[in-house]
Amino acid sequence: NAGVMQNPRHLVRRRGQEARLRCSPMKGHSHVYWYRQLPEEGLKFMVYLQKENIIDESGMPKERFSAEFPKEGPSILRIQQVVRGDSAAYFCASSPGGTGGEYEQYFGPGTRLTVT
Amino acid sequence: AQSVSQHNHHVILSEAASLELGCNYSYGGTVNLFWYVQYPGQHLQLLLKYFSGDPLVKGIKGFEAEFIKSKFSFNLRKPSVQWSDTAEYFCAVNAVSSASKIIFGSGTRLSIRP
Repeated sequence: NAGVMQNPRHLVRRRGQEARLRCSPMKGHSHVYWYRQLPEEGLKFMVYLQKENIIDESGMPKERFSAEFPKEGPSILRIQQVVRGDSAAYFCASSPGGTGGEYEQYFGPGTRLTVT
Repeated sequence: AQSVSQHNHHVILSEAASLELGCNYSYGGTVNLFWYVQYPGQHLQLLLKYFSGDPLVKGIKGFEAEFIKSKFSFNLRKPSVQWSDTAEYFCAVNAVSSASKIIFGSGTRLSIRP
């Protein structure tokens, strides 16, 4: 059973460009979470999605950031018009269930975004 | 709002020393608690978790943690560390009643001298 897959592992973008980060959850998992890790900091929750639904986006910046988890295909975290402050490691996690259950989250290897 | 505090940013130990990493959280309701480890160049792995039951939890690689509800603490322990334990350790909490986001502490970097 393959783990959580993320690609690309490393992404370099110039200021103003768009970044698209992909996450394929573990087989059988329908819940996806995105986290951001800034240098020298812990992971910060960004968004929680189920198939075709955003459940909690309380950690998402109000502008330029969006996420989706379509019926088919991976979850996508999209950052428009990137700025240097977006440089970070972005981690995706998946779980088989969500609220109220004893479900642990399994993390992917992360995408390291560098904005030049 | 939930928060997690890890008191030690960087801990340096010699091999065979005992380890205790502190973790406190703030949340009044029922929580799930986790310790994750991130080895150099690798992604997060779950060391151990507490959902309910026995507050003393055993994890992988000889680690254990004790949930003390009255102190809002979930300290990580290992009686004898090895050089291979060099990594970053994250304490995390998830409020059972809310959406399942996990709140992470800022991490403790553990360096083991061979």
